[in-house]
Amino acid sequence: AQSVTQPDIHITVSEGASLELRCNYSYGATPYLFWYVQSPGQGLQLLLKYFSGDTLVQGIKGFEAEFKRSQSSFNLRKPSVHWSDAAEYFCAVGSSGAGSYQLTFGKGTKLSVIP
Amino acid sequence: GAGVSQSPRYKVAKRGQDVALRCDPISGHVSLFWYQQALGQGPEFLTYFQNEAQLDKSGLPSDRFFAERPEGSVSTLKIQRTQQEDSAVYLCASSPRGGAQANEQFFGPGTRLTVL
Repeated sequence: AQSVTQPDIHITVSEGASLELRCNYSYGATPYLFWYVQSPGQGLQLLLKYFSGDTLVQGIKGFEAEFKRSQSSFNLRKPSVHWSDAAEYFCAVGSSGAGSYQLTFGKGTKLSVIP
Repeated sequence: GAGVSQSPRYKVAKRGQDVALRCDPISGHVSLFWYQQALGQGPEFLTYFQNEAQLDKSGLPSDRFFAERPEGSVSTLKIQRTQQEDSAVYLCASSPRGGAQANEQFFGPGTRLTVL
């Protein structure tokens, strides 16, 4: 069964500082990987996705993530955080094979930004 | 509208009541998913439709939960005899494709259900 671990429950950074949110996954084959952001009272917005190809993927709002198969990781990065980035971030893994196509999510990392 | 919409946005039910939650996917989207998000947790899969066919309902927690998508568009998640542990945000997501490409999902704002 596929699973996702986000080791950091809560991270606080200063505005303008760099950011890295960690994500480790467990999946038997090549995974489909996603990062979503959720603001309070809102649904999930897709930041970026990895299906295949280049292991460094660019997303919206200046975010990027790198797929490292050897480490089973898909960490999210941003070089300079803005106050509006404060939200909860979810990493998710999807199946690339036949059968169910659900996403399996981590428990999320809450990001706080200090002005 | 341009995105997935859900109604109601908030629902308060007394324990034992039945509730129905509606999802309007993005027009033309083939796949539709329901997830349950408990407080402080990530979303957890409930069920998956491809057009009107319910292909996976392995995540439904009990036989009190029932979902349908009779015409392959709007979907309804029904919970019978609600219990306090059913309190959560229920998220609907749709995808333009079926199969493995259904992984790319677009989420609605959710319905927050509170069972008293």
